[in-house]
Amino acid sequence: VQLVQSGAELKKPGESLKISCKGSGYSFTTYWIGWVRQMPGKDLEFVGIIYPGDSNTRYSPSFQGQVTISADKSTNTAYLQWNSLKASDTAMYYCATHEYSKAYFDYWGQGTLLTVSS
Amino acid sequence: QSALTQPASVSGSPGQSITISCTGTSGDIDVYNYISWYQQHPGKAPKLMICEVSNRPSGVSNRFSGSKSGNTASLTISGLQTEDEADYYCFSYTASSTYVFGTGTKVTVL
Repeated sequence: VQLVQSGAELKKPGESLKISCKGSGYSFTTYWIGWVRQMPGKDLEFVGIIYPGDSNTRYSPSFQGQVTISADKSTNTAYLQWNSLKASDTAMYYCATHEYSKAYFDYWGQGTLLTVSS
Repeated sequence: QSALTQPASVSGSPGQSITISCTGTSGDIDVYNYISWYQQHPGKAPKLMICEVSNRPSGVSNRFSGSKSGNTASLTISGLQTEDEADYYCFSYTASSTYVFGTGTKVTVL
């Protein structure tokens, strides 16, 4: 199992962005993929999770309405999207995956560093 | 969903044992056995150390063990080694069908 995330991004406040996480080595549609935020020097925070098999998506209340999680089964890729970035979105974002019946992330991507600054 | 509560820091000398607690609110640790623990070294992605309260994934040292009582989960590291110095996070499934991390504990090997 391998998750490869898109590269670091430098964006301005108000801009939109979609970062990606490409899975390989497993059945993409039978594993949940989640997103985790880590602000500079801070703790891990659960953002949300998607089941690509049926696009069932769940968000942490803290992130509901702030981001959009999606997945493309044809390319085995999950996405985390913002419509209008804020400086407070500056963080490392990790994707992670687990089998349908499990409830822990056993495989992680390398992380995507997002910097939002004017 | 509030973060699970962990001590900010725990320290021990090489060879000692330490325990990190993780206290939940109603509807997470007290209800589910879906508690896992992650180790994170600076600049690295988290690594799964314990899943489902007390199960060790393949390749994880048997010096790491987990347990749960009521709404508190615990991670014990026995025979502390210098490479165990890292941040540790608990993680639980919740009654709202999402997940929540703990507040993180910095482990220092004296």
